[in-house]
Amino acid sequence: AQSVTQPDIHITVSEGASLELRCNYSYGATPYLFWYVQSPGQGLQLLLKYFSGDTLVQGIKGFEAEFKRSQSSFNLRKPSVHWSDAAEYFCAVGAEGYSTLTFGKGTMLLVSP
Amino acid sequence: DAMVIQNPRYQVTQFGKPVTLSCSQTLNHNVMYWYQQKSSQAPKLLFHYYDKDFNNEADTPDNFQSRRPNTSFCFLDIRSPGLGDAAMYLCATSRIGQGLAKNIQYFGAGTRLSVL
Repeated sequence: AQSVTQPDIHITVSEGASLELRCNYSYGATPYLFWYVQSPGQGLQLLLKYFSGDTLVQGIKGFEAEFKRSQSSFNLRKPSVHWSDAAEYFCAVGAEGYSTLTFGKGTMLLVSP
Repeated sequence: DAMVIQNPRYQVTQFGKPVTLSCSQTLNHNVMYWYQQKSSQAPKLLFHYYDKDFNNEADTPDNFQSRRPNTSFCFLDIRSPGLGDAAMYLCATSRIGQGLAKNIQYFGAGTRLSVL
C-alpha cells in the first residue's frame, strides 16, 4: 500500500527566507506525486505535480519540487517566502492510471515578519 | 470559470438529524470524490464515483451515503450525524481517460459541518 510521510507538522520561516518542506513516499512502482496548498477554511489548490521526465518541476506561486527516486522524496522548495504563503501544505501520491490519492498529514507553514 | 462548487460553505445540524451536502462541477470530469477532513489532519477519502460506478472506501461508516444523479452533481448524505462527524467535507473531481492528465484532482472550497 502506498503511504506519504511529512515529518514536519509545523515550520516557521521568516519572510524572505528560503523554504523546504519535506515529503517521503512509499510506493512499489513509479509514483505520481503532488503538492497541494490549503489556506484556512478553504479547499486544496494544486501547486505542482510530477508524473515523469525532468525531476525538478515548477509550479505556481514560485514553488518547485524535486523528485529523488533514491531517497523516495519529493520535497517542496521556494527561494523567498512571502507572508501570503502561510498555509497548510499536503503532499500526495497516486499511481499510473486510475487510482485514488494518498495524502500526507500536512505541514503547517507559519511566516514571521 | 470552470470549477468545483460546494454548497453550503457552512452547515449546522443537530445530532441525529439527516443532512445533505452538495457538490457541482462545470469541468465535465467523470470522477467525483468526497473527502472528510478533521482539524489538522489529512483529507480522508470516503468514496468516489467513476461515472455512475460507486466506490466506497472499506472504512467509510454506513452512516455516510452518496448520490450522483448526473455528471455535474454529487451529494453526500449523512443519515444520523454524530458529534464525531463534525469536519470539513471536501469534494474533488478528476478526468480519467486514455491520453489525459493522470488523475489530477481539483477541489472545491469545502463545507464546514458542525453538529450540535
